[in-house]
Amino acid sequence: EVQLAESGGGLVQPGGSLRLSCVVSGFTFSDYWMSWVRLAPGKGLEWVANIKQDGSESNYVDSVKGRFIISRDNVKNSLYLQMNSLRVEDTAIYYCARDLMWLDYWGQGTLVTVSS
Amino acid sequence: DIVMTQSPDSLAVSLGERATINCKSSQSILYSSNNKNYLAWYQQKPGQPPKLLIYWASTRASGVPDRFSGSGSVTDFTLTISSLQAEDVAVYYCQEYFSTPLYTFGQGTKLEIK
Repeated sequence: EVQLAESGGGLVQPGGSLRLSCVVSGFTFSDYWMSWVRLAPGKGLEWVANIKQDGSESNYVDSVKGRFIISRDNVKNSLYLQMNSLRVEDTAIYYCARDLMWLDYWGQGTLVTVSS
Repeated sequence: DIVMTQSPDSLAVSLGERATINCKSSQSILYSSNNKNYLAWYQQKPGQPPKLLIYWASTRASGVPDRFSGSGSVTDFTLTISSLQAEDVAVYYCQEYFSTPLYTFGQGTKLEIK
């Protein structure tokens, strides 16, 4: 059974940092691109970032470029999102997902709240 | 950048009736070399992660009931639920992956029971 489990969310002040993790099981993690997608309160889904199988390529939505860093550890079957210089508008549930261009498996999400 | 626009923003349909959700892309998402439309549809129920319904504009994902169907090409796409069930109440999103490895979602359509 495919499972993805995010962790690391919480309350952080504007300008602060947070590192999200996503542990996966049930498939060969190193064979797939992986993505982060977020759902802000009252808004729709927004694709945030993705990373190639070997970590050699990563891509970001413009609103997080230079602030967020996606990475992965294929030994630990884990995906990460380092979020720096956080803004109020980054408040959202963050989901990790397996990326086939369409996103076929998703975690339950972890809530990030940016507030003073 | 490709912009995905869904219509309507919300929709109320009676149980057993047909529900139709539209998605329009700001430019063609039909890749001529393989004649495939780079579009997916998702369902998101409250408190749950999104669930993949359709990819390549019309291919149902594994386990998705056949009352869900996708159609359209180039810039205009439709998700149809042929006979609405109570468990279909959700927000539905389209997503283009023509810009791969960058992606864009539509703003979402909220589907309710009339």
